Amino acid sequence: DAKTTQPPSMDCAEGRAANLPCNHSTISGNEYVYWYRQIHSQGPQYIIHGLKNNETNEMASLIITEDRKSSTLILPHATLRDTAVYYCIVSLRGGGSNYKLTFGKGTLLTVNP
Amino acid sequence: GAGVSQTPSNKVTEKGKYVELRCDPISGHTALYWYRQSLGQGPEFLIYFQGTGAADDSGLPNDRFFAVRPEGSVSTLKIQRTERGDSAVYLCASSLGPTDEQFFGPGTRLTVL
Repeated sequence: DAKTTQPPSMDCAEGRAANLPCNHSTISGNEYVYWYRQIHSQGPQYIIHGLKNNETNEMASLIITEDRKSSTLILPHATLRDTAVYYCIVSLRGGGSNYKLTFGKGTLLTVNP
Repeated sequence: GAGVSQTPSNKVTEKGKYVELRCDPISGHTALYWYRQSLGQGPEFLIYFQGTGAADDSGLPNDRFFAVRPEGSVSTLKIQRTERGDSAVYLCASSLGPTDEQFFGPGTRLTVL
């Protein structure tokens, strides 16, 4: 699986959009970008995934650059409950060892009141 | 519906003892995974079950670790002759199938004194 690079920490004001970047310059054509988050003392929680088109769900939006070498997770209106470690993971879907999520250290997002 | 549950939530044991950690996946999920998370790190893959069989146990650190899923539902992670380095949070996840999103339990915090 391709390696990802994320900033170790970010801050965001409550009510503002949180934009979390991820670099995955070695991503291959059939690898997906997944985002999970982990709130303190809980297990990771799936947020969203995408291949090349931008995706949106009730939790977040995922913007993937045209060359697919980077992506941004957007939380449109961050709340205090969004304070968590956010993990960007690149993985095959439907082939190889895609079941095996490879977590890095992620980005600690702190939402401030 | 009920999510993934893990018991116990905390386990303190002495070096050299045997421990069992239990995971109850979401009903109907055929895929089950164990991960281990050390302080300040992202979760690391240990083992993956598809049904009753361990399809990939490449993440188990050594032969002191073993996991079973005899009826294709509940799984038990077994650690023999525990060492202080085994102290970590052990996370279980399940998914409908191996290409679907993984749902994590809250984890079992194991402390080996």
